[in-house]
Amino acid sequence: AQSVTQPDIHITVSEGASLELRCNYSYGATPYLFWYVQSPGQGLQLLLKYFSGDTLVQGIKGFEAEFKRSQSSFNLRKPSVHWSDAAEYFCAVAPYGGSQGNLIFGKGTKLSVKP
Amino acid sequence: GAVVSQHPSWVICKSGTSVKIECRSLDFQATTMFWYRQFPKQSLMLMATSNEGSKATYEQGVEKDKFLINHASLTLSTLTVTSAHPEDSSFYICSAITRAGGTHSTDTQYFGPGTRLTVL
Repeated sequence: AQSVTQPDIHITVSEGASLELRCNYSYGATPYLFWYVQSPGQGLQLLLKYFSGDTLVQGIKGFEAEFKRSQSSFNLRKPSVHWSDAAEYFCAVAPYGGSQGNLIFGKGTKLSVKP
Repeated sequence: GAVVSQHPSWVICKSGTSVKIECRSLDFQATTMFWYRQFPKQSLMLMATSNEGSKATYEQGVEKDKFLINHASLTLSTLTVTSAHPEDSSFYICSAITRAGGTHSTDTQYFGPGTRLTVL
């Protein structure tokens, strides 16, 4: 069965430090891959997505993610974290060629930022 | 970007009553809307897909008679939790896309802020 694993439930980093949030997926073929951010009282916002092509994807707010087929991973990175980045981050996959509505989400990683 | 709203943002009801949650696309027409359920510390689970003017498609294990979905217009979908019970307490999130099916790479799913339902 398809699944998405985010191994880290909660991560705390200092402001200005680099960040990497891990995401691994289990799927028979290369799926569509997404990272969303959820802030309290706000809807999930798409940070970036990977469909095909360059495996390093640039997103909004200075985030990037790298697709590694050999590791079935799609880790999210940011070189310098800002206090406003504190939120919950979700990795998601959708079947290749299928509807984006059939998103399978990971359980999320909560990011806290220390001053 | 596109905005999706939900109303109410939170609701408390008595067991046995029905609750309606609205999902609106404010500045675009949504041919397809999705309803998700999120439990604490858990991921979002897709409940159903609704296309404007047709019956919703429910995911396996979701009771269609309990979770009534209506997508009567291109900007509004409603989820009615009928005869709610405490186990229905959850965070319900809707999303919308502009293209039916959402298979085009430029399609983006826009999410509402969610509705917290508590059934006493």
